[in-house]
Parts: sequence; C-alpha cells; structure tokens
Amino acid sequence: KAGVTQTPRYLIKTRGQQVTLSCSPISGHRSVSWYQQTPGQGLQFLFEYFSETQRNKGNFPGRFSGRQFSNSRSEMNVSTLELGDSALYLCASSLGAGLYTFGSGTRLTVV
Amino acid sequence: QKEVEQNSGPLSVPEGAIASLNCTYSDRGSQSFFWYRQYSGKSPELIMSIYSNGDKEDGRFTAQLNKASQYVSLLIRDSQPSDSATYLCAVRASNFGNEKLTFGTGTRLTIIP
Repeated sequence: KAGVTQTPRYLIKTRGQQVTLSCSPISGHRSVSWYQQTPGQGLQFLFEYFSETQRNKGNFPGRFSGRQFSNSRSEMNVSTLELGDSALYLCASSLGAGLYTFGSGTRLTVV
Repeated sequence: QKEVEQNSGPLSVPEGAIASLNCTYSDRGSQSFFWYRQYSGKSPELIMSIYSNGDKEDGRFTAQLNKASQYVSLLIRDSQPSDSATYLCAVRASNFGNEKLTFGTGTRLTIIP
C-alpha cells in the first residue's frame, strides 16, 4: 500500500518568490491536512481539505493557500516568500478521526 | 496559555525502565487524543490514540486519559534504545467534521543503554 507522497523533498527559493508543494494521499483517503514544522514552534496547522473543500484554516497569512483536486491530491502555495517561511512542510492524509499518516515532508529553505 | 503543553525535555531513561511522558490541554471539550512519535529527520507516525477516560494498552505502550484534569500521558515499559525519539501529543477539536489536530511541541526522549 503506497504511503503519502510529497514532492519535492527539498526546495531552495529566494525571498519574494512563490512555491508550490504537492501531496498525494493514501488511496481512499479524502482528508488532507498541511502543517508547518519549525524547531521553535513545532507543528502548526495550515489547512485541511476534504473532498476538494477547505474545511479548516490555521492562523497563517493569506500568502499561504491550498487546494485539493478530485483525485484527493493536494497542493499548497506560498507566495512572496519570506525568510521565516523556511520550514518543513508536512502533509497528512486521513480517513478521519485524527488518525493521520504523514508524508516525508518538503524542506523549504528561503534565502 | 498554549493549547497543548508538553515538557520539552530532554527526558533520559535507562534501558529497561519505564518512560513517562505527560501532556495537558486547554480545550475542555476535546474528544480525541493521540501520541505521535518522530525520529530525528523523519516525519511523525501515530503510535496511540485514546478517546475515553482511563488506560489503553498496546504492547509496551499505555496511554492514559483524565478529562477532568485535562491530562494525557504515555507510558513506555521496558524502554529500548529504539524508543529514543520526540513524542508529540495531539488533541483533536471537539466539533464534528473538524480534522484539525493541535500538537504540543514534543518531548525528546533518550533511552540510555
């Protein structure tokens, strides 16, 4: 059974650029959640999608956005990158009830 | 006050002993509680879930929940060096259809051989 696939694994971007990260959930999982992980703040909730609808959004600026496609694959986009956006971005897929399976993450470095 | 609080550690436990990890949460209406383990450089993986007051055992792991005290704990019996990791406590909000998990910042556990 394939796990959660996140691409790319690593990214280096310059301040002001934008970036798109991709997540393919486990087959049959319709819920996809995104988290930002930094050493100081831990795991911070970005948003959750279910059947192409954003059900929840965390306390991040509007530069952070996402979407989900009909095949449950999800993308998140960060525009006008700032140095503070450097982090590990984790995607989690779920059948529900908080039982997450995380992907390996995308390590974003903004320089 | 943070929504989910954990002692960041590091917590050092001798091999074979019991490791005890604690977590408190602020939302009294929370219904679902989880422990995730994260090895260095890896992503978190679910190890335990608990939904009602009391103890839940799975192999060497026991999760304990006390909703009145808003307290969750994880006990690891017969600790092994492979248990060395960061343990994340997570709480699910109470409203239906809300999949958001709020995580603590984690407790770093080191098992000393």
